[in-house]
Amino acid sequence: EAGVVQSPRYKIIEKKQPVAFWCNPISGHNTLYWYLQNLGQGPELLIRYENEEAVDDSQLPKDRFSAERLKGVDSTLKIQPAELGDSAVYLCASSGDGSTDTQYFGPGTRLTVL
Amino acid sequence: QKEVEQDPGPLSVPEGAIVSLNCTYSNSAFQYFMWYRQYSRKGPELLMYTYSSGNKEDGRFTAQVDKSSKYISLFIRDSQPSDSATYLCAMSWGAQKLVFGQGTRLTINP
Repeated sequence: EAGVVQSPRYKIIEKKQPVAFWCNPISGHNTLYWYLQNLGQGPELLIRYENEEAVDDSQLPKDRFSAERLKGVDSTLKIQPAELGDSAVYLCASSGDGSTDTQYFGPGTRLTVL
Repeated sequence: QKEVEQDPGPLSVPEGAIVSLNCTYSNSAFQYFMWYRQYSRKGPELLMYTYSSGNKEDGRFTAQVDKSSKYISLFIRDSQPSDSATYLCAMSWGAQKLVFGQGTRLTINP
């Protein structure tokens, strides 16, 4: 069974440019998460989707970050415009329907903003 | 003060040693406790999952939860160089929102 797929794996952009990350969750997983992981830190939740609905986006900086999950499968996270402080790893995870279901993580997208 | 505190290390031990990794937390509502392992340039992978207090063993790994002290531990027996990674504790109160520790970077020396 394929795991969580993310692309691109690495992205280098200049500040003020837009950037987008894509995630394909494990087949059948209705819950999808986007996390931010700064260097030397643990992941921090940005947004959680249940199917197409964003049920927890309280930590998403909405002035520059946006996300969507059309048709309840793939998801895209966008930053516009990017700032130097956005340099980090963006992780996508997915899980089943149960509240205690294991979250499976993708390899992440490493963003560098110059 | 962070909800979950974890010593970032780095921790370096010889092969075959017993490794002890720990986290403390402040939110008494946490019911689910996890340990994730993260290799360099990879995403975290679930290693151990424990509900409420008690011990859980899986091969060379043992997870302990002491809710009265708000303290969780992961023990690795007969450590191997392949165990070298960053270990992240994580916990939740069942709402699918994981709160992670900072991660401890562990190196097992052959």
